[in-house]
Amino acid sequence: QITLKESGPTLVKPTQTLTLTCTFSGFSFSTSGEGVGWLRQPPGKALEWLALIYWSDSDRKNPSLKTRLTITKDSSKNQVFLTMTNMDPVDTATYYCAHRRLTPSGGPPQDFDMWGQGTLVTVSS
Amino acid sequence: DIQMTQSPSTLSAYVGDRVTITCRASQSISSWLAWYQHKPGKAPKVLIYKASSLESGVPSRFSGSGSGTEFTLTISSLQPDDFATYYCQQYTDYPFTFGPGTKVDIK
Repeated sequence: QITLKESGPTLVKPTQTLTLTCTFSGFSFSTSGEGVGWLRQPPGKALEWLALIYWSDSDRKNPSLKTRLTITKDSSKNQVFLTMTNMDPVDTATYYCAHRRLTPSGGPPQDFDMWGQGTLVTVSS
Repeated sequence: DIQMTQSPSTLSAYVGDRVTITCRASQSISSWLAWYQHKPGKAPKVLIYKASSLESGVPSRFSGSGSGTEFTLTISSLQPDDFATYYCQQYTDYPFTFGPGTKVDIK
């Protein structure tokens, strides 16, 4: 059974850097094809995909936020990290991590088949 | 970026009603579309992937269809647990993008 849980600060000040941690169980980055993504949802708005990291350490980021995002992982601890620089009040949102449905390396595109419950991050001075 | 739209934005229905939500992509995404159900304070839950594949454990009253640019999610008989917001998502191309959501509430 796959589970994911987000953790990090609930309040950050404008211009600060946010670092979130996703701790997961039920799968391992030692398996080829695995991937974990970060997504967010501002209050009253739609979901937005932020970034994705694969078992191979390759990653993809949303071009609209690319210069502000870093996604990394610690496979030994089953954790994925998201760093977002220069936070602004418009970045106030619930941040989710999610497991990308497993597909063999080079396989077809996949959706997110399991999500964490999310963590609300408020950006305010 | 591939733009996703959904209609309607809000849907009021009775328990037992057949409900259909439409999702459109700004360009062809083949069948690389997922539908998620989201309730406040909870994790989004995938219902349908690859446009029409029912996720394991999801009731069979949920079904998906379509390909290319037009897709539908159908709930054959709305149940009390189904009142939620539904999102479509394309995953054929980066950046992955979501529709704005359809809120299904009680009439």
